[in-house]
Amino acid sequence: EVQLVESGGGLVQPGRSLRLSCAASGFTFDDYAMHWVRQAPGKGLEWVAGIGWNSGNKGYADSVKGRFTISRDNAKNSLYLQMNSLSAEDTAFYYCAKDLGLYYDSSGIDYWGQGTLVTVSS
Amino acid sequence: DIQMTQSPSSLSASVGDRVTITCRASQSISSFLNWYQQKPGKAPKVLIYAASSLQSGVPSRFSGSGSGTDFTLTINSLQPEDLATYYCHQSHITPPTFGQGTKVEIK
Repeated sequence: EVQLVESGGGLVQPGRSLRLSCAASGFTFDDYAMHWVRQAPGKGLEWVAGIGWNSGNKGYADSVKGRFTISRDNAKNSLYLQMNSLSAEDTAFYYCAKDLGLYYDSSGIDYWGQGTLVTVSS
Repeated sequence: DIQMTQSPSSLSASVGDRVTITCRASQSISSFLNWYQQKPGKAPKVLIYAASSLQSGVPSRFSGSGSGTDFTLTINSLQPEDLATYYCHQSHITPPTFGQGTKVEIK
């Protein structure tokens, strides 16, 4: 059974940093691209970042480019999102998600984690 | 960026009704279109991938069709547990984008 478990969310002040982690199990992690997708409370889904199976292909939404960094450690079956210079507009549930294929810009997402809430407020 | 436009934004239907949700892409995405169901307070769950392939374990009353720019999600015989918001998603052309969602309510 595919499981994706996010951690690292919480309350953070504007301008500060936060690192999210996602522990993956139930599939061969380094055979698939991975994503972070966020959802502000009561709003729709927004793709944040994606990374290919071997970290060779990465992409970011314009809204986070230059502030967020996606990475993965295939030896640890883990996905990460380093978030810097956070603002209130980054407040959302952040979901770790598995792609159907090797590259983040190919087949789309199949499995999702339960999400971790990031609240940016003073 | 590719814009994904869903219609309607919300609908109310009775148990047993056939429900159709459409998703239009601002340019061709071939068949690289997935559909997700998100129940209140839960993470999204994939229903359909590659426009028309039913994800394992998803009830057969859900079906998808379309290619290019126009896609459809159909729920045959709506059930009470289908109360949810439904999203379409393309990742064929970067950046990946989602539709704005269609909220399905039960009369």
